[in-house]
Amino acid sequence: GENVEQHPSTLSVQEGDSAVIKCTYSDSASNYFPWYKQELGKRPQLIIDIRSNVGEKKDQRIAVTLNKTAKHFSLHITETQPEDSAVYFCAASSSSQTGANNLFFGTGTRLTVIP
Amino acid sequence: DGGITQSPKYLFRKEGQNVTLSCEQNLNHDAMYWYRQDPGQGLRLIYYSQIVNDFQKGDIAEGYSVSREKKESFPLTVTSAQKNPTAFYLCASSWRLVAGGRTGELFFGEGSRLTVL
Repeated sequence: GENVEQHPSTLSVQEGDSAVIKCTYSDSASNYFPWYKQELGKRPQLIIDIRSNVGEKKDQRIAVTLNKTAKHFSLHITETQPEDSAVYFCAASSSSQTGANNLFFGTGTRLTVIP
Repeated sequence: DGGITQSPKYLFRKEGQNVTLSCEQNLNHDAMYWYRQDPGQGLRLIYYSQIVNDFQKGDIAEGYSVSREKKESFPLTVTSAQKNPTAFYLCASSWRLVAGGRTGELFFGEGSRLTVL
């Protein structure tokens, strides 16, 4: 099955700086790569996703890049704010065969933005 | 108010007892999932269901059972066969994925924390 590795496990940045979280995956058939944000005591929520037919996607201060050849993808957060502090999970799936979105999650990155 | 609801939020169980966690959604989603979240291990898939009366094992199904008798409901039973059941359990739902179709976004419940005494 798929194996997703995520680094770093913890990340502290000063407010206004950028943060980068990196993930690698093992299954070349994976074609969908979402990122979820989980604030303390709350449910995970999708913040951005990318499919394998594009290399980069941006939404305001967050962006995701995908390198299919190297099988890695990254989350970039610019101009970080204290409300960005949370645990971020990357995930990968190859769901076209079953119709179910069987996501394989990374182990998470705890981001702390220092005011 | 549309969403996905899990209950109970906190649950304590004695060793040897089965316990059932409830998950209900009113989003009209076909697919539903159960994940287990442990510190430092991310989210691991226990079971998933694409349609009513059908479900499949995930990566860590041993010691768990599910049913999908209604589209809205996907209860998870943690049996006495689960050797390390203390964890945070998350239920999720999504649209069924079709190539080129809807987003694969998972909508999560608020979770149930199970503690075995």
